Amino acid sequence: NAGVTQTPKFRILKIGQSMTLQCTQDMNHNYMYWYRQDPGMGLKLIYYSVGAGITDKGEVPNGYNVSRSTTEDFPLRLELAAPSQTSVYFCASSYAQMNTEAFFGQGTRLTVV
Amino acid sequence: AQTVTQSQPEMSVQEAETVTLSCTYDTSESDYYLFWYKQPPSRQMILVIRQEAYKQQNATENRFSVNFQKAAKSFSLKISDSQLGDAAMYFCAYSRPLGAQKLVFGQGTRLTINP
Repeated sequence: NAGVTQTPKFRILKIGQSMTLQCTQDMNHNYMYWYRQDPGMGLKLIYYSVGAGITDKGEVPNGYNVSRSTTEDFPLRLELAAPSQTSVYFCASSYAQMNTEAFFGQGTRLTVV
Repeated sequence: AQTVTQSQPEMSVQEAETVTLSCTYDTSESDYYLFWYKQPPSRQMILVIRQEAYKQQNATENRFSVNFQKAAKSFSLKISDSQLGDAAMYFCAYSRPLGAQKLVFGQGTRLTINP
């Protein structure tokens, strides 16, 4: 059972480039999330999804886009990378029933130069 | 909006001793969940313990326990018999009870274990 898998683990982007952070889960979870963690800070919610075809903004959505075409996958798109998007990105998932544990991927360290 | 505050950026404890990490939060809701997550150098976020606000009994998980003071909006984590493997960043987090588990995190406390 792989859980939540994120790729890549590390990436360096130049300002203005675009990229997609991949996230997939094999636990049949309805809910999926993207968080970012800036140095020395806690995680902040970027976007979340309650099911295929349904996404919504979190606390810090500017500069990002998401899609949820399947239950398993929840990619995060950066269109025009900026230095302010240098961060560690975490994908997570959880069951819809009750408020159960969220399972996190191992994170993607992104540096924009 | 809900906020979570961890006022101790760093803590240290001798191996086998007990340490308490502090967390306060602000919310106008009466029902919610509180969590402590551990983040070791591997970056993996690991759930340590969870408390449901409507439960008066403090949650415990082996060497980890919480002191939940709802009126004071305080949620501290006690680690007993500290072990070297407990060294990590610890994050306090808040979530509403229903729907998507949109976690609100504190800034974190870095715990060092001295052998």
